[in-house]
Amino acid sequence: AQTVTQSQPEMSVQEAETVTLSCTYDTSESDYYLFWYKQPPSRQMILVIRQEAYKQQNATENRFSVNFQKAAKSFSLKISDSQLGDAAMYFCAYRANFGNEKLTFGTGTRLTIIP
Amino acid sequence: GAGVSQSPSNKVTEKGKDVELRCDPISGHTALYWYRQSLGQGLEFLIYFQGNSAPDKSGLPSDRFSAERTGGSVSTLTIQRTQQEDSAVYLCASSFTGHQPQHFGDGTRLSIL
Repeated sequence: AQTVTQSQPEMSVQEAETVTLSCTYDTSESDYYLFWYKQPPSRQMILVIRQEAYKQQNATENRFSVNFQKAAKSFSLKISDSQLGDAAMYFCAYRANFGNEKLTFGTGTRLTIIP
Repeated sequence: GAGVSQSPSNKVTEKGKDVELRCDPISGHTALYWYRQSLGQGLEFLIYFQGNSAPDKSGLPSDRFSAERTGGSVSTLTIQRTQQEDSAVYLCASSFTGHQPQHFGDGTRLSIL
């Protein structure tokens, strides 16, 4: 079974600084996707960024980028120029590229932005 | 609508009552997923629909939980004889196909007294 581990229950960062959230996963599959979702107090899970395992290039979406290390099964999220609106729970998620493609989530990291 | 819509937003009910939670996916999305988010268990997969069929029900925690989807659109998650451990946020997600990213609704917060 696939597992996703987020070892940082809480993180804080000064506004405008950079923060990195960690995620590791375990799978025997070679073809899969990894995601970072953001969940603000509104409860809606918002897709931040996704990475396809077969792509070596790290995904980037504006201020958000990932460091994907396939051999190490590591998938960290870097947020640059942190903004107050970035404050939320961040979940790392795994999805196999076959079958029903359900998401397996980590336990989340609560990110606080310090003004 | 523009996004996944879930109703009710909040539901408070007494232990032993039945509840129905509704999910209206994004138009045209064939895949629909239910997840549960609770303090003790984190985010857990419950059930997956492709069209009106549910090829994976493996996450349903007991036979008190059931779900259906009609017309390839709206889905209802039913919990019978609710227990306090059923208290959680129930999230619905949909995707164009099983291979596309999932879009989530705002969830239903269920509280069992």
